[in-house]
Amino acid sequence: GESVGLHLPTLSVQEGDNSIINCAYSNSASDYFIWYKQESGKGPQFIIDIRSNMDKRQGQRVTVLLNKTVKHLSLQIAATQPGDSAVYFCAENTGNQFYFGTGTSLTVIP
Amino acid sequence: SAVISQKPSRDICQRGTSLTIQCQVDSQVTMMFWYRQQPGQSLTLIATANQGSEATYESGFVIDKFPISRPNLTFSTLTVSNMSPEDSSIDLCSVVRQAMNTEAFFGQGTRLTVV
Repeated sequence: GESVGLHLPTLSVQEGDNSIINCAYSNSASDYFIWYKQESGKGPQFIIDIRSNMDKRQGQRVTVLLNKTVKHLSLQIAATQPGDSAVYFCAENTGNQFYFGTGTSLTVIP
Repeated sequence: SAVISQKPSRDICQRGTSLTIQCQVDSQVTMMFWYRQQPGQSLTLIATANQGSEATYESGFVIDKFPISRPNLTFSTLTVSNMSPEDSSIDLCSVVRQAMNTEAFFGQGTRLTVV
């Protein structure tokens, strides 16, 4: 399947700072991407998505940026809170299948 | 959204034994998916379970090791057979909903520890 990978496996940020989590993908034909958050002991939860006809999409405290030229995706979390501590996965959707990146573990330092 | 109930949430299993994981969805879905998450790694698709037909397995996963049942449109089971320590992982079931976009919903996962 497609290869979706993350640059950094772990990230620690101070509470209140902004967090940036990066992801690279290999299939230039991919047209839909999703960020998932996985808290300890739980399944992944949808955060935000973006289609390839966009380069930016904003949600509540989260922004996803897509750079199709370099096949790069990022998730920005504003004013990071302790509840944001989790593993974050990017995923590429093809039909009904999802291909997940390695995951970045975000730790928020109070 | 979809509510997915998965059980057991965790188990400690002896080497060589088998465990069956159950997944119940709150509404009918055509396809259900089973993923494996090794410690510190991402989710890898094991198989796609279709009601009324055999499951479709991904490369590296075989039916003898991971038999799957799909008796109806709201339920599926995954059995992990003849377990070894390499099976220590979190196994998750998932469903997909097609609306404006395609969104995947996950059960809370089953944490397997094989000793």
